[in-house]
Amino acid sequence: SQKIEQNSEALNIQEGKTATLTCNYTNYSPAYLQWYRQDPGRGPVFLLLIRENEKEKRKERLKVTFDTTLKQSLFHITASQPADSATYLCALLSNSGYALNFGKGTSLLVTP
Amino acid sequence: DTEVTQTPKHLVMGMTNKKSLKCEQHMGHRAMYWYKQKAKKPPELMFVYSYEKLSINESVPSRFSPECPNSSLLNLHLHALQPEDSALYLCASSQDGRAENSPLHFGNGTRLTVT
Repeated sequence: SQKIEQNSEALNIQEGKTATLTCNYTNYSPAYLQWYRQDPGRGPVFLLLIRENEKEKRKERLKVTFDTTLKQSLFHITASQPADSATYLCALLSNSGYALNFGKGTSLLVTP
Repeated sequence: DTEVTQTPKHLVMGMTNKKSLKCEQHMGHRAMYWYKQKAKKPPELMFVYSYEKLSINESVPSRFSPECPNSSLLNLHLHALQPEDSALYLCASSQDGRAENSPLHFGNGTRLTVT
């Protein structure tokens, strides 16, 4: 069966450090992968999309890598801030081509 | 605030009630989605409408009935729900019916409690 695995344990880091979140997947052959941010009681917000032919993508303090051989994506937040505290979800398209499936998400807490 | 508006924000209903959740977007998106999210779980897809036609029903029980009156509106009609249906119901839209071409824009959801 298709699986998307994210570290379910919360990640606590100090302000200013780099946070690195991991997304591993099985039984997908994705052409791309997406990352979303979700705050408590709110809907997910799209952050970045990376395609299979892109090794790395950046947006401001965010960096995503995509290794289709390892079946893994890494999501980095540099110079982290308390406002970055949220749950970060990795998402992949199902084989049907219409359904976006989400990982459980990793909760990030940035402390001053 | 998001560009996808969901109403109501909160809903409490009994198991014999009939209620509806509403979703509206004015971004010109042609695909709309219903997701269900339980606490500390990822969003789970329920239905996909593409160009106002139901394209995916992820084996959702018939007590949930979706409706897409036009390309801007999406409803979810609820009837005879169970307490385990209590969850955050999220509506989303994307530019077209294939998520690979555009990311999802989510509303902030309706928090549903079934008593």
